Amino acid sequence: DQQVKQNSPSLSVQEGRISILNCDYTNSMFDYFLWYKKYPAEGPTFLISISSIKDKNEDGRFTVFLNKSAKHLSLHIVPSQPGDSAVYFCAASEGDNYGQNFVFGPGTRLSVLP
Amino acid sequence: DAGVIQSPRHEVTEMGQEVTLRCKPISGHDYLFWYRQTMMRGLELLIYFNNNVPIDDSGMPEDRFSAKMPNASFSTLKIQPSEPRDSAVYFCASSTDPQRAEAFFGQGTRLTVV
Repeated sequence: DQQVKQNSPSLSVQEGRISILNCDYTNSMFDYFLWYKKYPAEGPTFLISISSIKDKNEDGRFTVFLNKSAKHLSLHIVPSQPGDSAVYFCAASEGDNYGQNFVFGPGTRLSVLP
Repeated sequence: DAGVIQSPRHEVTEMGQEVTLRCKPISGHDYLFWYRQTMMRGLELLIYFNNNVPIDDSGMPEDRFSAKMPNASFSTLKIQPSEPRDSAVYFCASSTDPQRAEAFFGQGTRLTVV
């Protein structure tokens, strides 16, 4: 049973437009969320995070929105660039988990078309 | 710092053989994680260490899997005997600060068991 879900395996967006990647979770104890980006043949790299005390966190072109009541978060990339083409993983952890036991979603492959 | 270093990058082995994957975490990081990535299950946490001590190995799939961290700069993940279903990309990651610092991933080891 997946605790972190990314229901869209892939997404294609035109360069310059907005990319919206979605993530849903089932564990109400999750209180910290991260997005990782992964290029082929490389390890995932950290992109942006959000704590459950916030509903929005912004870093340049990347914004993460958290809707706790819906157990849903989304990553917005605007404007999208071809270099953003990668697999994006959503990850979540529980506050009491001292060991940072992040649970990852299956990933969404984003393709930004020039 | 060169980041998290994993070796080998690629490993092809025959079923029944022993496989050892290696990881050098970022210096000063107290936590080390081993993940496995498959098409079916995405990124799964296998085990993590804090200050060289295994904390949670509940993600290790079977007794054929074992992990050690003899010192702060080296960890191994061993599979003995290996099976074709172990074929996956194995990532090592490290982090510091128990207050949720993001993990830094190595480039992964692609394991193929034939």
